[in-house]
Amino acid sequence: AQSVTQLGSHVSVSEGALVLLRCNYSSSVPPYLFWYVQYPNQGLQLLLKYTSAATLVKGINGFEAEFKKSETSFHLTKPSAHMSDAAEYFCAVSDQSSARQLTFGSGTQLTVLP
Amino acid sequence: DVKVTQSSRYLVKRTGEKVFLECVQDMDHENMFWYRQDPGLGLRLIYFSYDVKMKEKGDIPEGYSVSREKKERFSLILESASTNQTSMYLCASLDRWGQPQHFGDGTRLSIL
Repeated sequence: AQSVTQLGSHVSVSEGALVLLRCNYSSSVPPYLFWYVQYPNQGLQLLLKYTSAATLVKGINGFEAEFKKSETSFHLTKPSAHMSDAAEYFCAVSDQSSARQLTFGSGTQLTVLP
Repeated sequence: DVKVTQSSRYLVKRTGEKVFLECVQDMDHENMFWYRQDPGLGLRLIYFSYDVKMKEKGDIPEGYSVSREKKERFSLILESASTNQTSMYLCASLDRWGQPQHFGDGTRLSIL
């Protein structure tokens, strides 16, 4: 069974500050890991994905995430927050043997303060 | 780009009604999914389908059924709607080669 824990349901940062959204996973098999973003009244958009290649993954809009197997983590970062980054962010895991099903975390709402 | 279209953005129904939520994808994807999204719970999988006329239960299938008569269309059915099914419903599709899933914009369903 797989699970995802996102630490912090709400995170606030100032514009221009570092964004760090935390994600820890549990999986008995090698995982695929994903970050999705959801803007108000929209569906989910893929930010980036880890599929067992490079452990540092770069995504859209300046976001990146690092897969750390020893810490079972896949934290999302961005060096400098923009107002347009305000959204809800979801971490998700699937196992490599059955890449169809995703297990999602409960989400982190990011607020960017002017 | 993959396009996943959900037929309604907002829907209001009454308790006991039979409700249909429709989802269409335009990329010939084999796999389609229905999720429910509630605050603090993330997305939970209701049902998915990996081929026409095939379906599998997800984590929370109770009170729901699905239909996949054509490859591009996946319908979620609430047989007798109840107030605890008020939620945001998201459809997604996925090709046979794996992730990522592509999502529609969601249907916000209110059951009164």
